[in-house]
Amino acid sequence: DAKTTQPTSMDCAEGRAANLPCNHSTISGNEYVYWYRQIHSQGPQYIIHGLKNNETNEMASLIITEDRKSSTLILPHATLRDTAVYYCIAQEVNTGFQKLVFGTGTRLLVSP
Amino acid sequence: GAVVSQHPSRVICKSGTSVKIECRSLDFQATTMFWYRQFPKKSLMLMATSNEGSKATYEQGVEKDKFLINHASLTLSTLTVTSAHPEDSSFYICSAPTGTGTETQYFGPGTRLLVL
Repeated sequence: DAKTTQPTSMDCAEGRAANLPCNHSTISGNEYVYWYRQIHSQGPQYIIHGLKNNETNEMASLIITEDRKSSTLILPHATLRDTAVYYCIAQEVNTGFQKLVFGTGTRLLVSP
Repeated sequence: GAVVSQHPSRVICKSGTSVKIECRSLDFQATTMFWYRQFPKKSLMLMATSNEGSKATYEQGVEKDKFLINHASLTLSTLTVTSAHPEDSSFYICSAPTGTGTETQYFGPGTRLLVL
């Protein structure tokens, strides 16, 4: 799976949009971009994933650049409960169940 | 989303004893489950892949005789830490893909192990 690079930490004011970048310059054509987050002392939680089109669900939006070398996770109106470590993972699909390899992620702190 | 549970949520044991951690998929069947370990302020590290009805696949550096994995049914995988030592104290997390083709994985809430 392609390696991803994320900033170590980011801050965001409550109610503002949080934009979390991820670089995956070596991503291959059949690798999806997945985002998970881990709130302190809990198991990770799936957020969203995409291949090349932008995606949106009830939690977040995922913007993938046209060359697919980077992406941005957007939390449109961050709340204090969004404080967590966010992991961006590039993973191949349709080749059997693949293990997730977690990087260091971005520690997002949402403040009042 | 799909639900994965773990039991116990936390356990304290004496050095030299064995501890069993259960991982259950509550509303779906999981032929494959994954076990992770996480030390404080560190990322998740994959320990092994648990396969229903066959032997687990361990990551490099993980002792299979120390971390026994059993996946006896489509909804249950167990991780047994044998002869636990203080350095085994960690947060153990399991995950399972739902098999819907999207490879989305659902994680358990984790088990915090403290070995005295």
